[in-house]
Amino acid sequence: QVQLQESGPGLVKPSQTLSLTCTVSGGSISSGSYYWSWIRQPAGKGLEWIGRIYTSGSTNYNPSLKSRVTISVDTSKNQFSLKLSSVTAADTAVYYCARAEVDYYGSIWSGEYFDYWGQGTLVTVSS
Amino acid sequence: QSVLTQPPSASGTPGQRVTISCSGSSSNIGSNYVYWYQQLPGTAPKLLIYRNNQRPSGVPDRFSGSKSGTSASLAISGLRSEDEADYYCAAWDDSLSGFHAVFGGGTQLTVL
Repeated sequence: QVQLQESGPGLVKPSQTLSLTCTVSGGSISSGSYYWSWIRQPAGKGLEWIGRIYTSGSTNYNPSLKSRVTISVDTSKNQFSLKLSSVTAADTAVYYCARAEVDYYGSIWSGEYFDYWGQGTLVTVSS
Repeated sequence: QSVLTQPPSASGTPGQRVTISCSGSSSNIGSNYVYWYQQLPGTAPKLLIYRNNQRPSGVPDRFSGSKSGTSASLAISGLRSEDEADYYCAAWDDSLSGFHAVFGGGTQLTVL
């Protein structure tokens, strides 16, 4: 059974960089056709996809956050990480890491769905 | 403002059938699969529907999904108290701004 666990500081000062790590257990981060994503949820609000990474290092980011986001992967540690720079109070949220299983139609990408999620970690941006 | 549009709330009585709508555009729902996630209070979202209308193993057949054009719907029949949760639709969006996942704003389902 695959498990994901977020870790990192729960409090970040405005203008600083938010850094989180997701540790994957129960399977290799490099095996299978999976992308690894970060998703966040401000209190009482909806879900916002931040970005994803493949174990090759290929990334895609939410256009609204692209200038501030970096996602990286460390296959030797079975982890992937998120860095969000120049944070403000608007970045306060529960941050989830999630695995996305790729759906193929033949050999063509036809979608992805988030089948495993971490429990989420609250990050508060405040001085 | 979410890219996909959902009603903020829905309700029904036990045993009833409830539907939740999700509206998008040609760059997301109109050209890609729709997914639905259920989020119980205080927990991470859980995959409910994939490929518009497929249920992962373990998801009751009371839950069904459909898609037409740039809109999709989630139907829950035989409503039960444990279905009280937030429901989110999602799709992949491939537009000029780039390739990315988009979610609806969520629908809070209340079982009266």
